[in-house]
Amino acid sequence: DVVMTQSPLSLPVSLGQPASISCRSSQNLVSSDGNTYLSWFQQRPGQSPRRLIYKVSNRDSGVPDRFSGSGSGTDFTLKISRVEAEDVGVYYCMQAARLPLTFGGGTKVEI
Amino acid sequence: EVQLVESGGGLVQPGGSLRLSCAVSGFTFRSYWMNWVRQTPGKGLEWVARIKQDGSGKDYVDSVKGRFTISRDNANNSLSLQMDSLRAEDTAVYYCAKEGSLGYWGQGTLVTVSA
Repeated sequence: DVVMTQSPLSLPVSLGQPASISCRSSQNLVSSDGNTYLSWFQQRPGQSPRRLIYKVSNRDSGVPDRFSGSGSGTDFTLKISRVEAEDVGVYYCMQAARLPLTFGGGTKVEI
Repeated sequence: EVQLVESGGGLVQPGGSLRLSCAVSGFTFRSYWMNWVRQTPGKGLEWVARIKQDGSGKDYVDSVKGRFTISRDNANNSLSLQMDSLRAEDTAVYYCAKEGSLGYWGQGTLVTVSA
């Protein structure tokens, strides 16, 4: 199975400041169709996960442009340009390039 | 508006069975892969199973193979997960999720396996 490793585990941030979360995969995530199936999810307290980013850098509809994804191969990053109070929660990366789909352990963002 | 609503969770004894359902609306159900994902405090998020648009392809995580069966009813826009031979480690919140990269999730249904 592809192991997804996130860091840090916990990320204290200040409002208006940038934040960055790293995700590393144990295998290259480029699929046979040439796409890289790396997604980022946000889970606010008491809510279901919500996808923010798919295929490394594509923002989902309604996701603020302060969220951005980057990376390639086995190293990926989620950045929040200016943290807002509503960004508090746990962030997960996930790979869908190989079965089984696997998630990172999560990064807790707190103000 | 895309909506996924899970139901069927509850308390079941080890070795027992449970059937989860997911009612969907707001998109063309028959056009998408569908998934089940579970979440536990200890193990985090774990993908469980997926099913192809027409039901002809199904995949499972190793830990549930032979015990869980995913199915769908495209006429009624519903997804199901039949869970047999349940174990304590299957205790989790179960979510249904739309498409290969899990673009939309339901609110989840809690399954507790305990004597």
